[in-house]
Amino acid sequence: AQTVTQSQPEMSVQEAETVTLSCTYDTSESDYYLFWYKQPPSRQMILVIRQEAYKQQNATENRFSVNFQKAAKSFSLKISDSQLGDAAMYFCAYRRGGADGLTFGKGTHLIIQP
Amino acid sequence: DTGVSQDPRHKITKRGQNVTFRCDPISEHNRLYWYRQTLGQGPEFLTYFQNEAQLEKSRLLSDRFSAERPKGSFSTLEIQRTEQGDSAMYLCASSSSDYHQETQYFGPGTRLLVL
Repeated sequence: AQTVTQSQPEMSVQEAETVTLSCTYDTSESDYYLFWYKQPPSRQMILVIRQEAYKQQNATENRFSVNFQKAAKSFSLKISDSQLGDAAMYFCAYRRGGADGLTFGKGTHLIIQP
Repeated sequence: DTGVSQDPRHKITKRGQNVTFRCDPISEHNRLYWYRQTLGQGPEFLTYFQNEAQLEKSRLLSDRFSAERPKGSFSTLEIQRTEQGDSAMYLCASSSSDYHQETQYFGPGTRLLVL
């Protein structure tokens, strides 16, 4: 079974600084997708960034980028120029190719210090 | 179309009662997923549909849970004889089946409290 591990229950960063959230996963599949989702307090889950396993280039979306290390099964999220609106729970998620549901980690609570 | 919607947003019920939740996916999406999220945890997959066909069910989906998507559009999730352990946020997500367009978009969830 696939597992996703987020080893940082909580992270804190100063506004405008850079923070990296860690995620590791375990799978025997070769075709899969990885995601980072953001869940603000009492608000719905929104997609931050996604990475296809077959792509070697790391995905980037504005201030958000990933470091995808396929051999190490690591998928970290870097947030540059942190903003107060980035405060939320961040979930790393995995899905194998096809149409399975997502497997989520337990999340990292990101606090932005003004 | 502004995204995935869920109704109701909150539900309080007594143990032993039946409850039903509704999810309306993004209109052009043919895949629909249900997840359960308990406090402090990530969402856990329950089941998914492609059009009206229910293609996968997690072992978390006990016999008291049933999901339908009769016309391949909206879906309902029913919990019979609710238990206190059913208290959770129930999330719905939808996606397209087009290759490389399979990102799941989530609704706001239905928060269930069983007393």
